[in-house]
Amino acid sequence: EDQVTQSPEALRLQEGESSSLNCSYTVSGLRGLFWYRQDPGKGPEFLFTLYSAGEEKEKERLKATLTKKESFLHITAPKPEDSATYLCAEEYNFNKFYFGSGTKLNVKP
Amino acid sequence: SAVISQKPSRDICQRGTSLTIQCQVDSQVTMMFWYRQQPGQSLTLIATANQGSEATYESGFVIDKFPISRPNLTFSTLTVSNMSPEDSSIYLCSVVPSDRASNIQYFGAGTRLSVL
Repeated sequence: EDQVTQSPEALRLQEGESSSLNCSYTVSGLRGLFWYRQDPGKGPEFLFTLYSAGEEKEKERLKATLTKKESFLHITAPKPEDSATYLCAEEYNFNKFYFGSGTKLNVKP
Repeated sequence: SAVISQKPSRDICQRGTSLTIQCQVDSQVTMMFWYRQQPGQSLTLIATANQGSEATYESGFVIDKFPISRPNLTFSTLTVSNMSPEDSSIYLCSVVPSDRASNIQYFGAGTRLSVL
């Protein structure tokens, strides 16, 4: 069954300590791989869309990359305000998504 | 982008009752969706709310349990009927703005439902 698996479930970093979040997907014929950020009590907020292996997108301290089976969200020199849950989602059909359960990131000052 | 207002933001309900959740968008949108997010789990699509016709439900979700209305291009409601504690969850609406070529979804803040 097509699904999205995110790891780790939770990640605690010190401010400035770079790391990566992983998203593994299984659907064939990927239409798009999406990354969202979700803060407590809020809905997911769009970050990136990736469509083909080798593609990279950057925004401030975040960079998303895509291979044929995985996507990574790299966080460089994170700050406490980067603390949130990061969700990835694969589009398997038009406007239909499988979401991962997320990685809860906590950045300590 | 689109600004989405969801009401109520949270509620505590008794078993066997129903709750209607409202989703209002600040612009006309073609696509509106309803999701459920259970604690520690991923978002699961409940249905696509179609303007002027019945909603399209995903596997495992039925109209009798989750009736949806979409009277116009800026508003939709989701009702959680005959609630049980298993319905305790966060319910989110999302939209894809009509003026965008991409399929980025924008989400409301969600309704946190607890059923006693």
